[in-house]
Amino acid sequence: QVQLVQSGAEVKKPGSSVKVSCKASGGTFSSDGFSWLRQAPGQGLEWMGGVIPMFGTPTFAQTFQGRISIIADESTSTVYLELNSLRSEDTAMYYCARAAPEMVFALSQWYFDLWGRGTLVTVSS
Amino acid sequence: DVVMTQSPDSLAVSLGERATINCKSSQSVLYSSVNKNYLAWYQQKPGQPPQLLISWASTRESGVPDRISGSGSGADFTLTIDSLQAEDVAVYYCQQYYNTPWTFGQGTKVEIK
Repeated sequence: QVQLVQSGAEVKKPGSSVKVSCKASGGTFSSDGFSWLRQAPGQGLEWMGGVIPMFGTPTFAQTFQGRISIIADESTSTVYLELNSLRSEDTAMYYCARAAPEMVFALSQWYFDLWGRGTLVTVSS
Repeated sequence: DVVMTQSPDSLAVSLGERATINCKSSQSVLYSSVNKNYLAWYQQKPGQPPQLLISWASTRESGVPDRISGSGSGADFTLTIDSLQAEDVAVYYCQQYYNTPWTFGQGTKVEIK
């Protein structure tokens, strides 16, 4: 059974960076698709970016261009999100999610069949 | 970006009654060449991540009870929960995957009346 296990909660200062991890177990990893999404307190869901490990090159939502990095480490089956220049509005639950396998190679058309439990990132001075 | 708008924002339904949630997209998410609607529904219970309920506008995921169904095409979609149960209390989101950036509705909170 595939599982996505995310790293623990983080508290960061404005202007700093955060790196969140998502370890996948029980699946193929390299040919899976992974995305990061976030949910601000009491708000809806926002897609941030995604990657297929075997290809390596991530895609990002325009909103985050320039301050986001997504890296897939095939040796540990782990996907990382790094977000820079943090501001208070980045306070949110950050989720790792897997693209439904049937759609992985339809690179612009993903829905998400498996989610991690989330990592709370709090940005506060 | 495709804007997804859900209605209502919240609704309270008696146990055993029907709950209906609407989702409208700012452009059609029907891929005419394959005649498929690129629309998914998720359920999020308090303190939990979202869970996929329905893909392709009407295809239930394995394990989703058949009292939950999706319908619609083009730019107008509906999630229906027949005979509401206590475990259906949650926030429900629609998502378009027609093109990037993939976008979600603002959510509809379903409660027991």
